[in-house]
Amino acid sequence: RKEVEQDPGPFNVPEGATVAFNCTYSNSASQSFFWYRQDCRKEPKLLMSVYSSGNEDGRFTAQLNRASQYISLLIRDSKLSDSATYLCVVNGADSSYKLIFGSGTRLLVRP
Amino acid sequence: EPEVTQTPSHQVTQMGQEVILRCVPISNHLYFYWYRQILGQKVEFLVSFYNNEISEKSEIFDDQFSVERPDGSNFTLKIRSTKLEDSAMYFCASSRGSVAPGELFFGEGSRLTVL
Repeated sequence: RKEVEQDPGPFNVPEGATVAFNCTYSNSASQSFFWYRQDCRKEPKLLMSVYSSGNEDGRFTAQLNRASQYISLLIRDSKLSDSATYLCVVNGADSSYKLIFGSGTRLLVRP
Repeated sequence: EPEVTQTPSHQVTQMGQEVILRCVPISNHLYFYWYRQILGQKVEFLVSFYNNEISEKSEIFDDQFSVERPDGSNFTLKIRSTKLEDSAMYFCASSRGSVAPGELFFGEGSRLTVL
């Protein structure tokens, strides 16, 4: 089983749509969870951390289910500028220094 | 806004040659990292560095790789004898504290092409 698994997509949605991404992780001892965004041939950038209670940042909502080892990201009212690859990231449970990246889910928002 | 800077942005080298990739982390950050991304694949951890020593390294980070912080600002990744499979984008990153729960700030990357 992959350490961090994501649906590769692409998700092709119209502007204004709501889209949800899911991610599962294999190590139940992982403690920190993040969503990063990566534009084509650019560096990853932190979108948001994911907390146990769930958290929201504007149009973005992240949820964590530790029992199922499942993380989600919901994007409401999609903008053209949201087109990117969304990376699910967890820290290596045996170390606080190492981040483990999923392969990413590609989102295309069309006019 | 402070940022991580990397040089060169792109380097082409012959197999077997040594390559040094340079990074200037954000000035008040304490933890430094190298990650790599082979084209079309996921971002992979190589090494973390704290207090002038390696704190963790991955299986990828074999004897051909080394890191150094030669002065107070630069953080370098050296590949001693490059192989074709070393072709990738190499990202330097830094963080204020340890990863959990801190944010990693990535540089724009150095693309290495090994011929």
